[in-house]
Amino acid sequence: EVQLVESGGGVVQPGGSLRLSCAASGFPFSTYSMNWVRQAPGKGLEWVSYISSSTSAIYYADSVKGRFSISRDNAKSSLYLQMNRLRAEDTAVYYCAREEDTYDYFDFWGQGTLVTVSS
Amino acid sequence: QAVLTQPASLSASPGASASLTCTLRSGINVGTYRIYWYQQKPGSPPQYLLRYKSDSDKQQGSGVPSRFSGSKDASANAGILLISGLQSEDEADYYCMIWHSSAYVFGTGTKVTVL
Repeated sequence: EVQLVESGGGVVQPGGSLRLSCAASGFPFSTYSMNWVRQAPGKGLEWVSYISSSTSAIYYADSVKGRFSISRDNAKSSLYLQMNRLRAEDTAVYYCAREEDTYDYFDFWGQGTLVTVSS
Repeated sequence: QAVLTQPASLSASPGASASLTCTLRSGINVGTYRIYWYQQKPGSPPQYLLRYKSDSDKQQGSGVPSRFSGSKDASANAGILLISGLQSEDEADYYCMIWHSSAYVFGTGTKVTVL
């Protein structure tokens, strides 16, 4: 059974940092591209970042470029999101999502981890 | 102006059809994009429904009923998700998505209410 479990969320002050993790199981993690998607409270979905299976391709939304960094450890079947210089508008539930390898849709999602940026 | 604009809400009766639009910003031609559709119910992550570029390039999500289908309206520069035979369990938020300029972009979302 495919499972994605996010962790690392919490309350952080503006300007602070946080590192999110996504533990994957039930599938060959190293062969799949992965994404982070966030959703502010009561708001819509916002894509954050993409990383290919081999890390040869990495992309970011303009809203986080230069502040967030995506990475993965295929040996540990884990995906990460390092978030620096956090702002109030980064407050959201952060989901990791697997990208299906033929049709490129997000086929499995974690339950999300809440990040709150507040003083 | 948002890249993808969706009506904020739509209401329809059980058994009716609902047409959800996803309008691309001027200058972005709907004909060149695959449009992905996701459904999200309260307290849950989104679930993939389908992908549509053309009648020869489309894909239905695993287990997604055939009453969910995709199309495009080129004159309106929009992608369309059609839900036929609306059921109470279709009450949810719906998001479109495209890959544009090296980034995924989600639409603003439509809340569907089944009256």
